[in-house]
Amino acid sequence: AQSVTQLGSHVSVSEGALVLLRCNYSSSVPPYLFWYVQYPNQGLQLLLKYTTGATLVKGINGFEAEFKKSETSFHLTKPSAHMSDAAEYFCAVSGALHDKVIFGPGTSLSVIP
Amino acid sequence: NAGVTQTPKFRVLKTGQSMTLLCAQDMNHEYMYWYRQDPGMGLRLIHYSVGEGTTAKGEVPDGYNVSRLKKQNFLLGLESAAPSQTSVYFCASSYLRDRGAGANVLTFGAGSRLTVL
Repeated sequence: AQSVTQLGSHVSVSEGALVLLRCNYSSSVPPYLFWYVQYPNQGLQLLLKYTTGATLVKGINGFEAEFKKSETSFHLTKPSAHMSDAAEYFCAVSGALHDKVIFGPGTSLSVIP
Repeated sequence: NAGVTQTPKFRVLKTGQSMTLLCAQDMNHEYMYWYRQDPGMGLRLIHYSVGEGTTAKGEVPDGYNVSRLKKQNFLLGLESAAPSQTSVYFCASSYLRDRGAGANVLTFGAGSRLTVL
């Protein structure tokens, strides 16, 4: 079975500062990993995903994430935060043999002017 | 394309009442899912379907039933609503895993906010 933990339910950064949102997963099979973003009163949309191949994955809006198998991690980063990045971020995992997608509890990102 | 459409967007029920949430997708996706979102809990999978006529239980299936009679529609039913089912419900759909770049990427609806009094 797959599971996801996200360290920090709320993260605040200053505008222009580095964004780091942490995600650790548990999976009995090689995982598919995802980051989704949810803006207020909206559904979720895909930021980026890891399936196979290159472990550093680039997504939309300047975000990227690195798959580290030895650490079972898939942390999300952005070099310079923008006010428009304020949102809820969800890490998710799907196993190779089981296609259901399991989400973490989410991290709310605030960007301070 | 409309993508994933959920109806209704808002609903208030009394304890014990029944209702059905409808999810429709026009992308010919094989997989469809129902999640509920609660503060501090993230999204929890209720039920999902890997194809027309098939359904499976997710993480929190109790109190809910689903049906997938047509490939494009996935219905979520509450037979006897309880206050614990007050939540925002999201429907999502996706292609099968082996569809290249789109594999297993979820497309979400805008959500349905349900309040049970």
